[in-house]
Amino acid sequence: EAGVTQSPRYAVLQEGQAVSFWCDPISGHDTLYWYQQPRDQGPQLLVYFRDEAVIDNSQLPSDRFSAVRPKGTNSTLKIQSAKQGDTATYLCASSPGLGANYAEQFFGPGTRLTVL
Amino acid sequence: GEKVEQHESTLSVREGDSAVINCTYTDTASSYFPWYKQEAGKSLHFVIDIRSNVDRKQSQRLIVLLDKKAKRFSLHITATQPEDSAIYFCAASISNTNKVVFGTGTRLQVLP
Repeated sequence: EAGVTQSPRYAVLQEGQAVSFWCDPISGHDTLYWYQQPRDQGPQLLVYFRDEAVIDNSQLPSDRFSAVRPKGTNSTLKIQSAKQGDTATYLCASSPGLGANYAEQFFGPGTRLTVL
Repeated sequence: GEKVEQHESTLSVREGDSAVINCTYTDTASSYFPWYKQEAGKSLHFVIDIRSNVDRKQSQRLIVLLDKKAKRFSLHITATQPEDSAIYFCAASISNTNKVVFGTGTRLQVLP
């Protein structure tokens, strides 16, 4: 079974530039998460979807960040105007959503973003 | 909202000894407590979990204990091996949601 895939693996930007991150979850997983993991910290939830619907985006800085999952499969996270404080690894995870292990999450390799 | 505190930021043990990582949570509605491991340069992967209907769960050398009254849970790694060296994250999830709140991580170093 293929795991969660993310691209790009690395991104380096100047402040003010835009960047998009792409995630392909495990086939059949209806729940998809985006996390921000600053260096030496735990993952912090930005947004999560069940199918194409946003369930919780309360921690997503809505003035500059956006996330979509239009067909309930792949997802894109976009930063419109990056700031140095956005420097972090962006992790995508998916989970089956049903059954005994409904909350177990499978993580992708992450995109390491550096904003200069 | 839920807050998860992980008490040890770093932990060093000798190979063969046991390691214990402690976490506390704030929301009494939390009912699912997974643990994830992050090896150097890699992403997180699930290692073990416990649900609030039990207070102990074991999987090979890993034991998770849950004290709901104290809102505390812990990961015990017995007979540690060098490959156990990693960052371990505890997490908590409220019943009937898929939202998981992570702790800040404990860097475990198993010394030869």
